[in-house]
Amino acid sequence: GENVEQHPSTLSVQEGDSAVIKCTYSDSASNYFPWYKQELGKRPQLIIDIRSNVGEKKDQRIAVTLNKTAKHFSLHITETQPEDSAVYFCAASKVAQGGKLIFGQGTELSVKP
Amino acid sequence: DSGVTQTPKHLITATGQRVTLRCSPRSGDLSVYWYQQSLDQGLQFLIQYYNGEERAKGNILERFSAQQFPDLHSELNLSSLELGDSALYFCASRVGDTQYFGPGTRLTVL
Repeated sequence: GENVEQHPSTLSVQEGDSAVIKCTYSDSASNYFPWYKQELGKRPQLIIDIRSNVGEKKDQRIAVTLNKTAKHFSLHITETQPEDSAVYFCAASKVAQGGKLIFGQGTELSVKP
Repeated sequence: DSGVTQTPKHLITATGQRVTLRCSPRSGDLSVYWYQQSLDQGLQFLIQYYNGEERAKGNILERFSAQQFPDLHSELNLSSLELGDSALYFCASRVGDTQYFGPGTRLTVL
């Protein structure tokens, strides 16, 4: 079945360090991979996404890489700040087949000042 | 603000009861997705509607049902509620490949 594994479940870094979160998906037909940031009790908010025809995408301090052969993708946050502290979710979907999101289990990122 | 609205924000009810959660997608968006977020199950896809028709079903219990109306708002009906149904329920609407989430409804079943 469709499954997304996400690691680590918790991550603690010092302000200014980099953080990396990794996800692996099971369905090779998946072709869209968004990352969401969720603060406590709030809605998931899209921070970056990547499509299967692209290997890497960057937006300021955030980047995502995709390895289709290995079926894994990663989120990289550089120069972390305390306001980056939140739960981050990766997801995978098959756009042409309705686009439902299959989420990873989430990573709680804590950035210590 | 994603432009997706959900009501109510909070709902407290008893086991065995029935509730209705409402979602209005962003103006012009035809798709509505419902997700459940619980501590033990994470974020799980429940059901998708597109322009009034059911498009995909996920891990949705038989006690749960949904529909999308001509004005494109959607309702998720949860019946015979159990303690384990306590969760955050999100809806999302889609533009291109991207889904934008509403603020959620926090359901507490006592």
